[in-house]
Amino acid sequence: GENVEQHPSTLSVQEGDSAVIKCTYSDSASNYFPWYKQELGKGPQLIIDIRSNVGEKKDQRIAVTLNKTAKHFSLHITETQPEDSAVYFCATYNNNDMRFGAGTRLTVKP
Amino acid sequence: EADIYQTPRYLVIGTGKKITLECSQTMGHDKMYWYQQDPGMELHLIHYSYGVNSTEKGDLSSESTVSRIRTEHFPLTLESARPSHTSQYLCASSGGGATEAFFGQGTRLTVV
Repeated sequence: GENVEQHPSTLSVQEGDSAVIKCTYSDSASNYFPWYKQELGKGPQLIIDIRSNVGEKKDQRIAVTLNKTAKHFSLHITETQPEDSAVYFCATYNNNDMRFGAGTRLTVKP
Repeated sequence: EADIYQTPRYLVIGTGKKITLECSQTMGHDKMYWYQQDPGMELHLIHYSYGVNSTEKGDLSSESTVSRIRTEHFPLTLESARPSHTSQYLCASSGGGATEAFFGQGTRLTVV
């Protein structure tokens, strides 16, 4: 089955700096790669996603890149703000099966 | 805002009690999921359903059971709660194909 690895598990940055979270996966048939943000006391919420026919997608300060050959994808947050502090999960989707990474706790220090 | 609801939000219950965690969605999604999330963050899939009368066990062994009699409702039941069941339980749903999963706010269960 699919194995999704996410790094780092914790990340602390200064406000205004960039943050990068990386995920690798094992199943080359995976074709959908969402990223979720979980704030304290809430369920995860989709922030950006990318499909296998696209290499990069951007939405304001958030971008995701996908390298299908190397089987890895990354979340990039630029100009970080304290409200970006949360737990972030990557996920892969293949044939009705969605798998999550172990999560990254991002802390943005003012 | 996602139309998926979990009740109760918080529950403290004694060992040996039977409990049911409720999950309902109004989006008409066929797929529904239950995840267990410990304070260490990781989401562990414990049950899922692809539609009415379909239920499957997930990756993490769980003593809970689920049912899917109606599309919108996917309750999780623990017949005899134990302290090891203390955790946060998250319900999610998604539409057909590779699409976004919507999560409820979770139920934080404490068994004393």
